[in-house]
Amino acid sequence: DAKTTQPTSMDCAEGRAANLPCNHSTISGNEYVYWYRQIHSQGPQYIIHGLKNNETNEMASLIITEDRKSSTLILPHATLRDTAVYYCIVLQAGGTSYGKLTFGQGTILTVHP
Amino acid sequence: EAGVVQSPRYKIIEKKQPVAFWCNPISGHNTLYWYLQNLGQGPELLIRYENEEAVDDSQLPKDRFSAERLKGVDSTLKIQPAELGDSAVYLCASSPGKKETQYFGPGTRLLVL
Repeated sequence: DAKTTQPTSMDCAEGRAANLPCNHSTISGNEYVYWYRQIHSQGPQYIIHGLKNNETNEMASLIITEDRKSSTLILPHATLRDTAVYYCIVLQAGGTSYGKLTFGQGTILTVHP
Repeated sequence: EAGVVQSPRYKIIEKKQPVAFWCNPISGHNTLYWYLQNLGQGPELLIRYENEEAVDDSQLPKDRFSAERLKGVDSTLKIQPAELGDSAVYLCASSPGKKETQYFGPGTRLLVL
């Protein structure tokens, strides 16, 4: 399994950009990087995913380095409702665990007023 | 479009009692997942279904846990008998296919006394 490493916690001021890093140095060429978040007492919420190119949607932007060994999730204008645990996951692309999401500890993002 | 529906949202039982959780995936999603989330941890996959077939149940404790997905739509996860250590959140997710984005339900929070 390609493992990911994320900081345990981060803080961000409301209205500022939140940049959440993730290392995935053992990622394979056909494995996607997925980001989910989990707000307290809710199920994980899909944010964005990418393979090689940078991606943007209505929630966030995903920047993947050229060597694909790390990525950054960007929330351009963080709000208090963005306070959550953010998970960076490499989606397995082969074997019996094809398509399996393996969640780590994630990053606890706290957005302050 | 309706999301993944789970019921009940909360369940309190005494140890050694049976308990069942129900999941209705997003319409048209062929792949269904059950995850277990212990307090302070990320979700862990218990079982994955492709239509009505369980294709990855390696993490399901088969001595007391069982699951079914009759007709390839709704699914039920059962524990019999429940133990104190089974207290956790049970999450259901679905995706159009095994390599595609998974969408999670709100989860069922189980407390075994």
